[in-house]
Amino acid sequence: TQLLEQSPQFLSIQEGENLTVYCNSSSVFSSLQWYRQEPGEGPVLLVTVVTGGEVKKLKRLTFQFGDARKDSSLHITAAQPGDTGLYLCAGERDSNYQLIWGAGTKLIIKP
Amino acid sequence: SAVISQKPSRDICQRGTSLTIQCQVDSQVTMMFWYRQQPGQSLTLIATANQGSEATYESGFVIDKFPISRPNLTFSTLTVSNMSPEDSSIYLCSVLTGGYTFGSGTRLTVV
Repeated sequence: TQLLEQSPQFLSIQEGENLTVYCNSSSVFSSLQWYRQEPGEGPVLLVTVVTGGEVKKLKRLTFQFGDARKDSSLHITAAQPGDTGLYLCAGERDSNYQLIWGAGTKLIIKP
Repeated sequence: SAVISQKPSRDICQRGTSLTIQCQVDSQVTMMFWYRQQPGQSLTLIATANQGSEATYESGFVIDKFPISRPNLTFSTLTVSNMSPEDSSIYLCSVLTGGYTFGSGTRLTVV
């Protein structure tokens, strides 16, 4: 079983602070995806990273894929209450289309 | 990306009964996935449903308990059969169209 370890599982910080969420594995992934999910909704894809060392930015969110394509991070700068939600990473292998999911990070940004 | 209409959005059911969850996609898709999620936690894949073939179930999930239909390329149903309180969860469908798109989920409570 391939594991994707996501940390932290819970984070509560003040508006304006920075934070980083990590996903680590001993397995290589062809791509790594980040999702955000709000209560009562399904996960929404934020970004897909596919190249080792790749960095993608989405406004205040920065996503990085490790050089070996085994790990990834999500960094949020100057967090806002609207960033509150459950963040999930998911890795995809070449062999099939199934995703390996991290445990999720429940993020709360307090105004 | 595709748009998925999933219903019901929530239901409270008596133990021993069955519930059928429907997902309608606004475009034709080959692969459809059914997930289970405890609130605030990660996703667990139940099965992969391809049109024209039997669904493929993950370890711990069986067809008798979670029968799936996939009559065409835009529609699928998941039935949760002979329900018990342990089946209380959020059930999500997902399709692969470029990226992964999810329905808004069905929150099931079994009493």
